[in-house]
Amino acid sequence: ETGVTQSPTHLIKTRGQQVTLRCSSQSGHNTVSWYQQALGQGPQFIFQYYREEENGRGNFPPRFSGLQFPNYSSELNVNALELDDSALYLCASSLAGTNEQFFGPGTRLTVL
Amino acid sequence: GDSVTQMEGPVTLSEEAFLTINCTYTATGYPSLFWYVQYPGEGLQLLLKATKADDKGSNKGFEATYRKETTSFHLEKGSVQVSDSAVYFCALSDRAAGNKLTFGGGTRVLVKP
Repeated sequence: ETGVTQSPTHLIKTRGQQVTLRCSSQSGHNTVSWYQQALGQGPQFIFQYYREEENGRGNFPPRFSGLQFPNYSSELNVNALELDDSALYLCASSLAGTNEQFFGPGTRLTVL
Repeated sequence: GDSVTQMEGPVTLSEEAFLTINCTYTATGYPSLFWYVQYPGEGLQLLLKATKADDKGSNKGFEATYRKETTSFHLEKGSVQVSDSAVYFCALSDRAAGNKLTFGGGTRVLVKP
């Protein structure tokens, strides 16, 4: 059974740029959630995707957007990067209707 | 809205000591409760969970009991090892909110030989 994978591992961008982060969900899982974890803090929910539609969103501006593909993999896009976007971005997959989420190793984004 | 509060760290212990990490929550519905662990440079791993009042979750010597009357889910381990050094996160999910996870701020635990 393949676990959740994310790419890239690390990324450095400058303010104002755009970034795309990728996530492959665990085999058999059809729901993907994204979280932002700032240094020294707990993860914050960004949004969740189910059946290629956004299915819940946290308190993040519209410049954070996402996609889910038919194979349940997902992308997180962030436009107009700000310094405060520097964080570990975590993807988690789950089976719809269940409450257990499985996390990937994360992508460390640094905005200079 | 939902929230989770856990004790701030770092918590420094000697090997074989008893560990307790306090966690309390606020939720409008009937949440499920979780403890996740994060080792340096890694993502989150589910440590244990409980889905209803008085349930006890347990794994790898760690235990936590869902206490609805005190809205708490304290994590305990009777004898810690150096390998337990990590950051521990208490979290809740509410089915009415699509099972999104709400996390506490994390507690760093350092176990010394």
